[in-house]
Amino acid sequence: KQEVTQIPAALSVPEGENLVLNCSFTDSAIYNLQWFRQDPGKGLTSLLLIQSSQREQTSGRLNASLDKSSGRSTLYIAASQPGDSATYLCAVWRGSQGNLIFGKGTKLSVKP
Amino acid sequence: GEEVAQTPKHLVRGEGQKAKLYCAPIKGHSYVFWYQQVLKNEFKFLISFQNENVFDETGMPKERFSAKCLPNSPCSLEIQATKLEDSAVYFCASSLEQGPSYEQYFGPGTRLTVT
Repeated sequence: KQEVTQIPAALSVPEGENLVLNCSFTDSAIYNLQWFRQDPGKGLTSLLLIQSSQREQTSGRLNASLDKSSGRSTLYIAASQPGDSATYLCAVWRGSQGNLIFGKGTKLSVKP
Repeated sequence: GEEVAQTPKHLVRGEGQKAKLYCAPIKGHSYVFWYQQVLKNEFKFLISFQNENVFDETGMPKERFSAKCLPNSPCSLEIQATKLEDSAVYFCASSLEQGPSYEQYFGPGTRLTVT
């Protein structure tokens, strides 16, 4: 059974710092991995989608990497800003059915 | 539309009452997914549709939960005889097609509170 773990559960950093969020999964036979952002009381915003054949994806200050063999993905946020404060979730695409299996997220707080 | 729409935003029901949630996927998207988010950010997949056909219902509690996606109507998720444990945020997502290349786009969710 696929399990997705995110460490740390919460993270507080000063503005301007570069940071890394971690995601691990137990079954390396994934099809893709998606990183989301969730603001309090809001839905999920898709940040990056990494196909199983890819090693990384970049969007602006965000860079996500994927290492299937070790069952890990990282989300790198450069030059963090207070507006980056949110919960970040990773999810892997399960089998042929296509539903996502989520981690429990990392709550990020960027202090001005 | 360009966004997944969900109604209502909040829903309060007494235990034992029925609850019905609605989702309008992004126009042109063939797949709809329902997820339940309970405390501690725990997401649980419920059911998915390919157009009006059930694609995967392995996550659905069979006894009280049902869902439909009918042509030219919003998709719906219905809970008969709600229980306290059904209190959660229910998210709908849609994707253009089914496959690992296709992102799932999420709606804002419906917060169900069962009292």
